[in-house]
Amino acid sequence: KNEVEQSPQNLTAQEGEFITINCSYSVGISALHWLQQHPGGGIVSLFMLSSGKKKHGRLIATINIQEKHSSLHITASHPRDSAVYICAVALDGGSQGNLIFGKGTKLSVKP
Amino acid sequence: NAGVTQTPKFQVLKTGQSMTLQCAQDMNHEYMSWYRQDPGMGLRLIHYSVGAGITDQGEVPNGYNVSRSTTEDFPLRLLSAAPSQTSVYFCASSYSSPLFGYEQYFGPGTRLTVT
Repeated sequence: KNEVEQSPQNLTAQEGEFITINCSYSVGISALHWLQQHPGGGIVSLFMLSSGKKKHGRLIATINIQEKHSSLHITASHPRDSAVYICAVALDGGSQGNLIFGKGTKLSVKP
Repeated sequence: NAGVTQTPKFQVLKTGQSMTLQCAQDMNHEYMSWYRQDPGMGLRLIHYSVGAGITDQGEVPNGYNVSRSTTEDFPLRLLSAAPSQTSVYFCASSYSSPLFGYEQYFGPGTRLTVT
């Protein structure tokens, strides 16, 4: 059983659309990360959150600890947002440097 | 700052050969980790370190060794390469204090093929 589940696995959107990627987890966590993996393979951290909501530009991440669920939203999507978005969690009581990853959501934004 | 660097970017090994994947960071991060990424699977933790001289196993440690003699460097050694170790390997680092946050910084990856 996967401890971190993402949906959808693949997502195709038209430029300008509002996008939501979901992440559910089944374990107690101390933090949840959203990462972006570019088509070239590099991985960058978008957000780390343990409660509430964070916003960077067109990206918004929310987390509901009681429901064990997080969402990543992209407003006014653009082709350069095309990437794999990965959810990862740090276990409660575990090392913050050890993450359990979802399999990722591949997003393709068409012009 | 160079951030997290990994060498080599690509490597082809024959079964049974050994090699070391290098990882270095210049951000004075305490945590360093090695992950492997395989098609259809999420990244999986191989080994991690919470500081110089301290290492521990992750989810998939078999066939790999690590050491952490300095804060900056965290090499991953493949003892006797097997085709099952064909993968993309990522090194990552982060602070250990909540004062600085636990944002993960990833290296560019090493694509390893074992024939």
